Amino acid sequence: GQQVMQIPQYQHVQEGEDFTTYCNSSTTLSNIQWYKQRPGGHPVFLIQLVKSGEVKKQKRLTFQFGEAKKNSSLHITATQTTDVGTYFCADNTGTASKLTFGTGTRLQVTL
Amino acid sequence: AAGVIQSPRHLIKEKRETATLKCYPIPRHDTVYWYQQGPGQDPQFLISFYEKMQSDKGSIPDRFSAQQFSDYHSELNMSSLELGDSALYFCASSLDSSTDTQYFGPGTRLTVL
Repeated sequence: GQQVMQIPQYQHVQEGEDFTTYCNSSTTLSNIQWYKQRPGGHPVFLIQLVKSGEVKKQKRLTFQFGEAKKNSSLHITATQTTDVGTYFCADNTGTASKLTFGTGTRLQVTL
Repeated sequence: AAGVIQSPRHLIKEKRETATLKCYPIPRHDTVYWYQQGPGQDPQFLISFYEKMQSDKGSIPDRFSAQQFSDYHSELNMSSLELGDSALYFCASSLDSSTDTQYFGPGTRLTVL
């Protein structure tokens, strides 16, 4: 079945440093969504990428969808302690269908 | 803005008991999804409903069943509970006709002793 892997599994940075998580799928993705889950919280939708090679920005966050639609990345510039959490990519196979989550990258930010 | 409501938030059960988890989607959302998240794991899709009909099924054990009611709320029924069923159970809803974005509820933490 489909596998969606993320690397790294865990990253610890100092506030102000940049952070990137990579998402790789064993199959071509219909579209890719990104979620953030704070410790003890629930997944919160960040963004959806649909087109091959698409790049979207949300303030300090930059999301990219690979040309072959098999990978994606999330880059955070100048991390803050509020960025702490686990970032998941997820494949959405279409209307009323399940999300297949990536393995997640846990980000820890210290002062 | 109204969010997805789940109840109870915490539940403790003994092995072989039954549990019922409830989910109230965002108003006007007609699609409900259930996910199970073990400690340190990513959420795993269990089942989804669209307009009160099952629309997709994932790795849901036969001991579990779910349904969506006429008011669009959903219930996940779990029987013969096992220790391995201890997890966070999330419900999510989406407004299927216009967007596939899924909005997650706060989750129910189930502990089986």
